[in-house]
Amino acid sequence: QSVLTQPPSVSAAPGQKVTISCSGSSSNIGNNYVSWYQQLPGTAPKLLIYDNNKRPSGIPDRFSGSKSGTSGTLGITGLQTGDEADYYCGTWDSSLSAGVFGGGTKLTVL
Amino acid sequence: EVLLVESGGGLVQSGGSLRLSCAASGFTFSSYWMHWVRQAPGKGLVWVSRISLDGSTISSADSVKGRFTISRDNAKSTLYLQMNSLRAEDTAVYYCARGAAASHFGYWGQGTLVTVSS
Repeated sequence: QSVLTQPPSVSAAPGQKVTISCSGSSSNIGNNYVSWYQQLPGTAPKLLIYDNNKRPSGIPDRFSGSKSGTSGTLGITGLQTGDEADYYCGTWDSSLSAGVFGGGTKLTVL
Repeated sequence: EVLLVESGGGLVQSGGSLRLSCAASGFTFSSYWMHWVRQAPGKGLVWVSRISLDGSTISSADSVKGRFTISRDNAKSTLYLQMNSLRAEDTAVYYCARGAAASHFGYWGQGTLVTVSS
């Protein structure tokens, strides 16, 4: 069971928007930055969002992040079939002194 | 170009040992914290361990404490993970990742598969 809670799956049609939630606690999301990762089938994870809402160079602005209290949210607009992947949130847990991830959300673009 | 290349994975019997390596290039290795993250087949990401720039600060997940040891050789730009007393539940793809102390993981290697047979 993961420290951070994500929905197992989300789906939407091409061109639409989807959001993925990540729920934690005061010891992790509440006091640390949230990051988001995309893992395409058979590949390594790739950083999408860091420090709650910043995008690394090369990541399109269709991807966005936000944080409120002990929850983070990943938003993806203009969905493409190539966005079908598993998405993970991550942060540091100050009580555990450990990195923590959500269980992952599988995005299906119908 | 930042490149992280893991090696050393393979099939090992329960109770055995393996040493993973992660060769880094394309950046100043000694300027970054480094981490190991693993992913069991069909499962999610699990953080394993981290090491500071000079190796003086190390943290590990409770599930591997006392069995796994992270280390680094800045002269060789290489990260290591010594895994002892391996268990079936350690079976996973192991990724090395470049990151901050307690923040995001900016770059990941392609992973190396460790399979522990019982």
